[in-house]
Amino acid sequence: GEEVAQTPKHLVRGEGQKAKLYCAPIKGHSYVFWYQQVLKNEFKFLISFQNENVFDETGMPKERFSAKCLPNSPCSLEIQATKLEDSAVYFCASSPNMGGFYGYTFGSGTRLTVV
Amino acid sequence: ELKVEQNPLFLSMQEGKNYTIYCNYSTTSDRLYWYRQDPGKSLESLFVLLSNGAVKQEGRLMASLDTKARLSTLHITAAVHDLSATYFCAVDSTSGSRLTFGEGTQLTVNP
Repeated sequence: GEEVAQTPKHLVRGEGQKAKLYCAPIKGHSYVFWYQQVLKNEFKFLISFQNENVFDETGMPKERFSAKCLPNSPCSLEIQATKLEDSAVYFCASSPNMGGFYGYTFGSGTRLTVV
Repeated sequence: ELKVEQNPLFLSMQEGKNYTIYCNYSTTSDRLYWYRQDPGKSLESLFVLLSNGAVKQEGRLMASLDTKARLSTLHITAAVHDLSATYFCAVDSTSGSRLTFGEGTQLTVNP
């Protein structure tokens, strides 16, 4: 399809619980990116993939966050032992090529609330 | 580390007026993007600027890129209420592996 599909739209977890978010990129897009948007509009880069390979993971808090993009499956972002500060909207974006020459298409986001 | 600064962060305009939003960034890049975000919604791509001197226009919005000055502008002409939203610029890393976003400009157009 021509949209980046993110599920679920909303997710509520108690502190310490696991959260798993999914992203299906646009068909034919080889690059997938995850961003976290916190309350004051700030976007924080988390991780990017080229197909199933990690492209850039310098934004990932590695002790609790992990991500995968496996063939023929939606990409996933998993947070182990969620904390209150993980409450945010998580956006996935995809791109057909490296370097963003055709731009990046963002999904509608998953709103994670940790209580 | 690449830093991206937008100004103003808040902009209240009257319908029919013109204004410019500025986006400055700290290290070399020749790829910059403008997005619009409505409350509770995703990012809508407005402009993709890929080279020095690039200028693109869509309706009442026009964006430009000066890579030597590390500056992009988003110009609004004759604002209408429907343009009320938050506008973000984002700069691509050299490798294309990540975007760095500005803080966003919250635009309100008043009748």
